[in-house]
Amino acid sequence: EAGVAQSPRYKIIEKRQSVAFWCNPISGHATLYWYQQILGQGPKLLIQFQNNGVVDDSQLPKDRFSAERLKGVDSTLKIQPAKLEDSAVYLCASSRLKGAREQYFGPGTRLTVT
Amino acid sequence: QKEVEQDPGPLSVPEGAIVSLNCTYSNSAFQYFMWYRQYSRKGPELLMYTYSSGNKEDGRFTAQVDKSSKYISLFIRDSQPSDSATYLCATTGGGNKLTFGTGTQLKVEL
Repeated sequence: EAGVAQSPRYKIIEKRQSVAFWCNPISGHATLYWYQQILGQGPKLLIQFQNNGVVDDSQLPKDRFSAERLKGVDSTLKIQPAKLEDSAVYLCASSRLKGAREQYFGPGTRLTVT
Repeated sequence: QKEVEQDPGPLSVPEGAIVSLNCTYSNSAFQYFMWYRQYSRKGPELLMYTYSSGNKEDGRFTAQVDKSSKYISLFIRDSQPSDSATYLCATTGGGNKLTFGTGTQLKVEL
């Protein structure tokens, strides 16, 4: 079974630029999560999708972050405009069920904002 | 106060040692407790999860939860250099959102 795929793996941008990350979850997994992991911290949930609907986006900075999951499969997370404090690893995870207990993470995209 | 507290380490032990990793949490509603392992530049990998209080064993790994003291532990027996990683505890009340600790960096030395 293929794991969660993410691209790009690394991205360096200047502040105020925009950036987009892509995630392809494990086949058949209905729930998809985007997390932000700042260096030295645990992952923090940004947004959760159930199929192509948003379940929880309470911690997503909606003035600059947006996410979509078209057709309930792939997802993109966008930041526009980026700030220095957005430098982090952006992790995508998926789970078969809506419950959070078994989530499978991708390798992440490491974003550096200069 | 953070909902889940975890000593960031680093923790360095010799090969073969028993490792004890710990977290405390503040929210009594948390019922599910997970341990993830994260190698450098990789995503977290679920090691084990437990429901409510008690112990769960899987090979060299034992997870322990004491809800009365809001204390979560992971024990690693016969530690190996390949166990060197960051270990993240996480909890949830059974809903959608995992709350993670900051992670403890473990190094097992030859």
